[in-house]
Amino acid sequence: QKEVEQNSGPLSVPEGAIASLNCTYSDRVSQSFFWYRQYSGKSPELIMSIYSNGDKEDGRFTAQLNKASQYVSLLIRDSQPSDSATYLCAVNMNSGGSNYKLTFGKGTLLTVNP
Amino acid sequence: DGGITQSPKYLFRKEGQNVTLSCEQNLNHDAMYWYRQDPGQGLRLIYYSQIVNDFQKGDIAEGYSVSREKKESFPLTVTSAQKNPTAFYLCASSIRGQGGGELFFGEGSRLTVL
Repeated sequence: QKEVEQNSGPLSVPEGAIASLNCTYSDRVSQSFFWYRQYSGKSPELIMSIYSNGDKEDGRFTAQLNKASQYVSLLIRDSQPSDSATYLCAVNMNSGGSNYKLTFGKGTLLTVNP
Repeated sequence: DGGITQSPKYLFRKEGQNVTLSCEQNLNHDAMYWYRQDPGQGLRLIYYSQIVNDFQKGDIAEGYSVSREKKESFPLTVTSAQKNPTAFYLCASSIRGQGGGELFFGEGSRLTVL
């Protein structure tokens, strides 16, 4: 069973701090990695995608990918109370032949305290 | 504005009844998906369709049925055969199929079985 693992949290950080969210995946041949943010009672929204090893920055968000270690992380700089949400890691995994399937982790609940 | 519309947002059903959830998109996306989310759980794929008149089972298709007669529409029927239908149902679409991963979600439909 191919899996995506996340610490369920809650992760609590003070306002202005850096929040670090981690995700590991089991399929070595995965090529595409995504972070979705989901506010309580709402649907997920895509905030970052990353395809190559290294860092990708977008505003206060940085995604980091290490394929050799099979982990992907999301850093949120200058965390704001409005960042309080569940963050879902999603990985496109090979499901046989040339077919790929997006697999979601269970999410990490982040709370940013004013 | 382009987007995905799900209806109804809230639905109550008695045991033994079938119910159909609507999903309409005007993003001109080829691929559409249905996910189920239970409290504290990640998203689990029910069905997906990469093109009109074609769809495939996801990880938890038992007790569900879909159709894809138009590019814009991908309704989901929760049948009486689904043992635990109470959940948050999310419809999504993407430009590419499962080879991608950048999903746009509707607002969700919350189904409660009484």
